[in-house]
Amino acid sequence: DIQMTQSPASLSASLGETVTIECRASEDIYSNLAWYQQKPGNSPQLLIYDANSLADGVPSRFSGSGSGTQYSLKINSLQSEDVASYFCQQYNNYPPTFGAGTKLELK
Amino acid sequence: QVQLRESGPGLVQPSETLSLTCTVSGFSLTSYGVNWVRQPPGKCLEWMGVIWGDGSTAYNSLLKSRLSISRDTSKSQVFLKMNSLQTEDTAIYFCAIPTQGYWYFDFWGPGTMVTVSS
Repeated sequence: DIQMTQSPASLSASLGETVTIECRASEDIYSNLAWYQQKPGNSPQLLIYDANSLADGVPSRFSGSGSGTQYSLKINSLQSEDVASYFCQQYNNYPPTFGAGTKLELK
Repeated sequence: QVQLRESGPGLVQPSETLSLTCTVSGFSLTSYGVNWVRQPPGKCLEWMGVIWGDGSTAYNSLLKSRLSISRDTSKSQVFLKMNSLQTEDTAIYFCAIPTQGYWYFDFWGPGTMVTVSS
């Protein structure tokens, strides 16, 4: 199975700041990568698919980039409602696998 | 509008069998694959398996020997059964579907917590 390594595990940032979360795959996943946001007590919500495509209804301050084995999620102008955990998921190889998550808090 | 909702027993004894139901609305089970994903407390998401629109199934090899997914299209319900439960199976269990691709999930149920304990 492809291993997904996310960093950092936790992150503290101020309102209005730009934050970046990284995800590294154990082999090339050809941009078959999704990002999810999960708020406490809720199910994951799709933010990004195909590494850089914004899912329906997701604010444009979220963006994804990367290729090969290295990918990142960027949040511009951090809002209070962005406090959540973020997970990456590869779907290039079966079975789909997830990163361990990044917990984003307000400073 | 697409909705999914999981239901189950909440508490299961070790070595027993878990039975969960995912009840869907707003779409037909023949249109999308319904996936099961679980999340142990404070841990990573784990894909468990899927029942495709044509009724075929695929399972995570780590769980394949214990897991079965089936459905009743007339009731818009998908069923998960997993036997020989252990404490490490304690998790929130989600059902989810991909409506745009095959393997990234844009609709999820709220999840159901399952605790394995005597």
